[in-house]
Amino acid sequence: DTGVSQDPRHKITKRGQNVTFRCDPISEHNRLYWYRQTLGQGPEFLTYFQNEAQLEKSRLLSDRFSAERPKGSFSTLEIQRTEQGDSAMYLCASSPRRGGTAGELFFGEGSRLTVL
Amino acid sequence: KQEVTQIPAALSVPEGENLVLNCSFTDSAIYNLQWFRQDPGKGLTSLLLIQSSQREQTSGRLNASLDKSSGRSTLYIAASQPGDSATYLCAVSGGGTSYGKLTFGQGTILTVHP
Repeated sequence: DTGVSQDPRHKITKRGQNVTFRCDPISEHNRLYWYRQTLGQGPEFLTYFQNEAQLEKSRLLSDRFSAERPKGSFSTLEIQRTEQGDSAMYLCASSPRRGGTAGELFFGEGSRLTVL
Repeated sequence: KQEVTQIPAALSVPEGENLVLNCSFTDSAIYNLQWFRQDPGKGLTSLLLIQSSQREQTSGRLNASLDKSSGRSTLYIAASQPGDSATYLCAVSGGGTSYGKLTFGQGTILTVHP
């Protein structure tokens, strides 16, 4: 499978616990994005990486959220001290360098977080 | 701040109908516009990408148009099928180095009944 892969697909946790999601992008894509989607809404941008550099973070990303992309390959999104408001689908996407299809995002299946 | 609106919010049609989904955006300084499909509980599948310099793109029974100056795009689905039932999302990308930072509409929920 050469698409974007996310793990786990579903995580149920208790309030106050830490959770980590992993994303493996399409191998030749240099940009990686994280989005969050709540029920009935369109996805909202959280952050993105170009190779290993995190270039932009949304104001939605509070201090409890941290994302990394070591070596410019896979990425992790960690949420510390989870709150019920963090319950959402966390979507990862990747895109190729500038060129014919630059800016075309390819999404994974998402990681659904439920905070009890 | 870019805002994207999709109309209608939901649409139910009989199989075989041709239909149009609408998307409007407030800031015409976009890099591209993408249409996605999302099945319940799943991720997003890219349907069509229109660069800001283009007017339309076609893929099979799908045709998307872009009028950047008026801030509008339409997705035309010909001869709809029950398998087309899903949520359709429109998203625009800003210019400069943030070309992958998308602003999404809330989506149109499409139901095609046999």
